[in-house]
Amino acid sequence: VELVQSGAEVKKPGDSLKISCKGSGYNFATYWIGWVRQMPGQGLEWMGIIYPGDSDTRYGPSFQGQVTISADTSMSAAYLQWTSLRASDTGTYFCVRRCGGDCYEFDYWGQGTLVTVSS
Amino acid sequence: QAVVTQEPSFSVSPGGTVTLTCGLTSGSVSTSHYAAWYQQTPGQTPRPLFHNTDTRSSGVPARFSGSILGDKAALTIAGAQADDESDYYCVLYRNGAWVFGGGTRLTVL
Repeated sequence: VELVQSGAEVKKPGDSLKISCKGSGYNFATYWIGWVRQMPGQGLEWMGIIYPGDSDTRYGPSFQGQVTISADTSMSAAYLQWTSLRASDTGTYFCVRRCGGDCYEFDYWGQGTLVTVSS
Repeated sequence: QAVVTQEPSFSVSPGGTVTLTCGLTSGSVSTSHYAAWYQQTPGQTPRPLFHNTDTRSSGVPARFSGSILGDKAALTIAGAQADDESDYYCVLYRNGAWVFGGGTRLTVL
């Protein structure tokens, strides 16, 4: 099992951005994929999660309406998208796989994508 | 939404035992929160330690244990080693959403 994320991004406030997470080594459609933010020097924050098989998506309260999570089973990829970035979106974003069945762990993590938003 | 609380920092002597906790600002943590724990060293991806409160993740030494202590989830490290010096995060699940605690920075000295 491996989650490979897209590379680091440097953007300006107001820019749009879509980062990706490609899964391999398992049936991508049947495991929830989530996103976790880590701002510089800060802790982990759960942003949301998607079930690629039917695109059922849940968001954390702080992120609802701020980002869009999507998935493409044909590409075995999940995405995190912003329409208008702010400086406060600067951070490292990890994609995570939720373990299967009656399990609530994030058992595999991507390597992280560093997003820097600066004018 | 209740906030998940962790000690900001903790210190343990090499060979000693330390218990880190994970609580809620309102209510008690129970097994129905399916507490999970992650270890992160600076610049690295978090490593799973425990899920479902006390189920050890693959490759985690037996000197690490997870439990419920009183009204909190707990991570106990026995025989602390220098490379246990890390940030430790708990996360709780409830009603389709996960909430991370602020993390505990563990120093081994």
